[in-house]
Amino acid sequence: EDKVVQSPLSLVVHEGDTVTLNCSYEVTNFRSLLWYKQEKKAPTFLFMLTSSGIEKKSGRLSSILDKKELFSILNITATQTGDSAVYLCIGSNYKLTFGKGTLLTVNP
Amino acid sequence: GAVVSQHPSWVICKSGTSVKIECRSLDFQATTMFWYRQFPKQSLMLMATSNEGSKATYEQGVEKDKFLINHASLTLSTLTVTSAHPEDSSFYICSASPGHSKETQYFGPGTRLLVL
Repeated sequence: EDKVVQSPLSLVVHEGDTVTLNCSYEVTNFRSLLWYKQEKKAPTFLFMLTSSGIEKKSGRLSSILDKKELFSILNITATQTGDSAVYLCIGSNYKLTFGKGTLLTVNP
Repeated sequence: GAVVSQHPSWVICKSGTSVKIECRSLDFQATTMFWYRQFPKQSLMLMATSNEGSKATYEQGVEKDKFLINHASLTLSTLTVTSAHPEDSSFYICSASPGHSKETQYFGPGTRLLVL
């Protein structure tokens, strides 16, 4: 059975801190790994990673995939209170397997 | 671009009634739409996948007669919760995929259903 495990489950930091969210996956016929941010409503897309070792960057957020170790990390630098959300890691082989998410709380 | 809307945002209904939730892709054609359900503090669970013009594919454990899905056009899918019960109370989210790749999914804002 395919699975995606995220850690930590919950994280509380102060504004300005840098955080690293972890995601390990076991997905048969793996195609890509997706990161989404979910606030009070539906998830919003952050990154799709298909190639190992290539960092994707969007502002203060970056992510990288290691297909050998079956692992991905999402980095957020200089965190802001608006970064508070659940971050979902999703493995895809056309069918999506969701992790349980990491709840990030950024305090002022 | 790639906006998905859901209607209604919130619905409260009495036990035994049916509730219809609409999911629309506003600026693209969605070959495939997905319906998810999310319980508090849990991740999204895929309920069913619907392709325009064909019957939906339901995930194991999801009752197709209870959760009726219709994908009548390339921009509209509906989920009808029939004879709703309090345990059906949940957050229902749809997503739409513009192509045949299921990896690129654009999520709707979700519909919160409360059955009394």
